[in-house]
Formats: sequence, structure tokens, C-alpha cells
Amino acid sequence: DAKTTQPTSMDCAEGRAANLPCNHSTISGNEYVYWYRQIHSQGPQYIIHGLKNNETNEMASLIITEDRKSSTLILPHATLRDTAVYYCIVRVLTGTASKLTFGTGTRLQVTL
Amino acid sequence: DVKVTQSSRYLVKRTGEKVFLECVQDMDHENMFWYRQDPGLGLRLIYFSYDVKMKEKGDIPEGYSVSREKKERFSLILESASTNQTSMYLCASRTSGPYNEQFFGPGTRLTVL
Repeated sequence: DAKTTQPTSMDCAEGRAANLPCNHSTISGNEYVYWYRQIHSQGPQYIIHGLKNNETNEMASLIITEDRKSSTLILPHATLRDTAVYYCIVRVLTGTASKLTFGTGTRLQVTL
Repeated sequence: DVKVTQSSRYLVKRTGEKVFLECVQDMDHENMFWYRQDPGLGLRLIYFSYDVKMKEKGDIPEGYSVSREKKERFSLILESASTNQTSMYLCASRTSGPYNEQFFGPGTRLTVL
């Protein structure tokens, strides 16, 4: 399974862009990169996923390098409600279902 | 609105007790998952199920079993609870196909005394 490496914690000022990096140097060609976040006392929430092209949705943008060995999640205008632990995950297929292997994530603190 | 519910938010049990954690989803999803979450270790997969009465071991199945008698319900069972099973337990579900997102429940914080 491809493993991911993320910084333990980051700070971001409210209203600024939050850029969360992730390294996944052993990713294989058919594995997607997923991002989830977990706000305190809640279950994880899906944010976005991608294979090799950059992706954008109403929550965030995902930038994947050309060699696919790293990616960056961008929250364009961070708010206090974005304070959470952000998980970068590489999708592994196992049998007829696929599982998510979570690491320890990046704790993002958005401040005034 | 999609929903995954778990029977309890907080649970306290004694060592040796049999513990049932229930998870129900209303999205007609085929796949359901049980994770535990511990500080410094992230989320770890215990068991998952891709169909009624089907189950597969995850990364840390020891000390746990599961039951999926109906599509919407996935139960995690601790046959004889131990203190090292004190943890946050998270249930998730998703539809079939390899690339769909998982929806998580709010979690059950289990304390074993």
C-alpha cells in the first residue's frame, strides 16, 4: 500500500488560503488521492479526490504534481469552521470493496 | 440528506463484558466499514462488509467480530471487552464501485474499565 506523509500541524489566518501538502512517493498508477477532514467530535468528511489532473469543487482544490508523488489541498479562503484534522489518503483496492488507509493527518488551526 | 447513525455516542463497559456497537445507514449502500481511532495512530480499519452476510478482515480484526444480517445494519461485537479496546469507534458506508466516497457516522467513544 502506498503510504502518505503529512505535516503534523499547520496554522492559517482566517480569510487566507490554506495549503496542505502531502507526499505519496510510492503511489502506483491506478491509485487515487483522497482528502478527508475530521472536525472535533465528528466523523471524517469527504472533501475531494483526484488521479492526475487538478480538481476543484465547492470545498477545495486539489493539485497533484506531474509525477504524482505529492499533492496539495487548497482551501481558498479558510474560515474558523475549517479548523480540523485533514487526512490525505491513497485509495487501495481490496477484493470487491476498497478500503481507506488513514494516517495521522495534519491538524489545521485557523486563527483570527 | 445522507445519514449514518451509531447507537451510542458514549459507552462505558467493564472488562469481560460482551459489547455490541450498532451502525445503521439509510443510503442503501452495499459497503460498510468499522474503524477505531486512537491518538497518534489515526483511523485503523477493523472489519468491512461488501454485502449482506459478507465480511472481510481489516488491519486490526483481533478481538472483534461483525454481523451484517441486513443491508442497512452493520454491528461490531467485542466478545470479551478489554481495557485496550477503549477507543473511538467509527462506522462508515459507501456505494459500490471503487472510487466513491465514504460517509461516516458520528462515532462511539467506548471506555472499558
